[in-house]
Amino acid sequence: DTGVSQDPRHKITKRGQNVTFRCDPISEHNRLYWYRQTLGQGPEFLTYFQNEAQLEKSRLLSDRFSAERPKGSFSTLEIQRTEQGDSAMYLCASRLQVEKLFFGSGTQLSVL
Amino acid sequence: DQQVKQNSPSLSVQEGRISILNCDYTNSMFDYFLWYKKYPAEGPTFLISISSIKDKNEDGRFTVFLNKSAKHLSLHIVPSQPGDSAVYFCAASEIQGAQKLVFGQGTRLTINP
Repeated sequence: DTGVSQDPRHKITKRGQNVTFRCDPISEHNRLYWYRQTLGQGPEFLTYFQNEAQLEKSRLLSDRFSAERPKGSFSTLEIQRTEQGDSAMYLCASRLQVEKLFFGSGTQLSVL
Repeated sequence: DQQVKQNSPSLSVQEGRISILNCDYTNSMFDYFLWYKKYPAEGPTFLISISSIKDKNEDGRFTVFLNKSAKHLSLHIVPSQPGDSAVYFCAASEIQGAQKLVFGQGTRLTINP
């Protein structure tokens, strides 16, 4: 099964530290999305790539957040100078054209 | 502003009976709607979808109904099974543009034996 893979599954960090998450989408999918989910809420859109181009960013994505998708394959999401409010589940999803989104299992971030 | 709302945080249903999950939206530009199911420690998985040109879509035990004039959709599960216990998210998108999904807050469905 070559679904969407995210690494790490869990990350605990101290406030002020930088963290980086990785997402490997389904191989033929050209569109990749990052979402964030907090307790009791649904996933919230953060950003979207079509191939290597980052085409849309949410207002939720502050300057401390940066995402890349070099060569249109895997993607990384970096959070600099983490804050306690960044604690959430970070979900990656991919799709091919207009098909449904396939989600990974997410990275659970806890900022102490 | 919450463009997609699921007003029931939880729902408990007897096994074998019908489960009805509701969802309301405010953005009239939405024309594609989906339901996702989420188990603990896993990402959401796609369940069923409906385009705004339809008012009903059925897939096995799952049926989604769309009432565009009321900006309301519902998911019917019949008969409900214990494995259906999960959090269900309603999502909507505009077909044009990035096609990002806007999710509701989710409804936790518990199927009792």
